[in-house]
Amino acid sequence: QKEVEQDPGPLSVPEGAIVSLNCTYSNSAFQYFMWYRQYSRKGPELLMYTYSSGNKEDGRFTAQVDKSSKYISLFIRDSQPSDSATYLCAMSAVTGGSYIPTFGRGTSLIVHP
Amino acid sequence: DAGITQSPRHKVTETGTPVTLRCHQTENHRYMYWYRQDPGHGLRLIHYSYGVKDTDKGEVSDGYSVSRSKTEDFLLTLESATSSQTSVYFCAISELLAGGFHEQFFGPGTRLTVL
Repeated sequence: QKEVEQDPGPLSVPEGAIVSLNCTYSNSAFQYFMWYRQYSRKGPELLMYTYSSGNKEDGRFTAQVDKSSKYISLFIRDSQPSDSATYLCAMSAVTGGSYIPTFGRGTSLIVHP
Repeated sequence: DAGITQSPRHKVTETGTPVTLRCHQTENHRYMYWYRQDPGHGLRLIHYSYGVKDTDKGEVSDGYSVSRSKTEDFLLTLESATSSQTSVYFCAISELLAGGFHEQFFGPGTRLTVL
């Protein structure tokens, strides 16, 4: 079992839908939870991150962390065709050593007009 | 893009030949990383560096070596390329932000095909 599990999709939704993307993890030491967006043939870029549990909102995007269930989510409201991309979750522990995040496989999202 | 460039951007080579990919950064970041990305596997860490001449292995380091003789350059070498190393390779740096979070920035990627 991988440390971070993420359904690869693809997830296809109509424009305007609410999208829910999810990851589960097994390492209870993870404290930082990140979501990256990757457009086709581009490098990943950080969308948002959360420290420990709780919610964080940024415009149409909301990140949610439930450490008791080891489950994180990214919600996209009023989805747009420009949101079509692969979304990767990533997680890391707080250590005094090197920073090595663990990535999920990514979920491909298609928002059709 | 945090001043990260990768070269070459595309390469086709034959099995058994050596290949070197270059990552260059302009902002003096301490940490640099090499990942490969394959369908069904996501991003997997090959090697990383935490300073000049300081490197360590990631989860898929077999068949790869790295060198970092200058802060700005991190080289990935495939000593004898195999078809299983056909992939998209991403370089990344991480920047420590206030509060202890490391933000990673990725380069544009190198598409390598080994025939």
